[in-house]
Amino acid sequence: DIVMTQTPLSLSVTPGQPASISCKSSQSLLHSDGRTYLYWHLQKPGQSPQLLIYEVSNRFSGVPDRFSGSGSGTDFTLKISRVEAEDAGVYFCMQSIQLPPTFGGGTKVEIK
Amino acid sequence: EVHLVESGGGLVQPGGSLRLSCAASGFSFSAYWMAWVRQAPGKGLVWVSRIGRDGSRTDYADSVKGRFTVSRDNAKNTFYLQMNSLRAEDTAVYYCGRDFWGSIDYWGQGTLVTVSS
Repeated sequence: DIVMTQTPLSLSVTPGQPASISCKSSQSLLHSDGRTYLYWHLQKPGQSPQLLIYEVSNRFSGVPDRFSGSGSGTDFTLKISRVEAEDAGVYFCMQSIQLPPTFGGGTKVEIK
Repeated sequence: EVHLVESGGGLVQPGGSLRLSCAASGFSFSAYWMAWVRQAPGKGLVWVSRIGRDGSRTDYADSVKGRFTVSRDNAKNTFYLQMNSLRAEDTAVYYCGRDFWGSIDYWGQGTLVTVSS
């Protein structure tokens, strides 16, 4: 199985400040079809997860533009340009290039 | 609006069985693969299974292969997870989701399965 490693495990951010989360995969997520199968999900406290970013850098419907994704191959980053209180929760990266799809261990974002 | 609602969770003894359901609305159900993902208490997300549009194709995590069966009824806009030979380590919140290139674009609210004597 592809191992997804996220860092840091947690971070505490002041509203209005930026935040960055790293995700590394044990194998390249670039498929021969040209797509890179890397996704970011956010699980807010007490809620089910929600898709934020698909294929590395595409914001899902309704996701604010303060969220951005970047990276290639095996190294990826999720950035929040200016954190807001509603961004608190656990962020998970996920790969689906190979079965089974696997998730990173999660990064807990706390708002100061 | 896409809406997914799980049901069927509960307390079951080790070795027992349970069937989860996921009712879908707001989209053309038969046009999508569907998936199950679980989350043990305080832990991360683990993909469990998925089913193709007409139910002819299914995939499973190794940890549930041979014990869990995914199925669907497109006439009812519902898909299922039959869980047999349940173990303590199957205790988790089970989420259904609409498959999106192997990931999930819409998630249900989850249903808790507790395996304990």
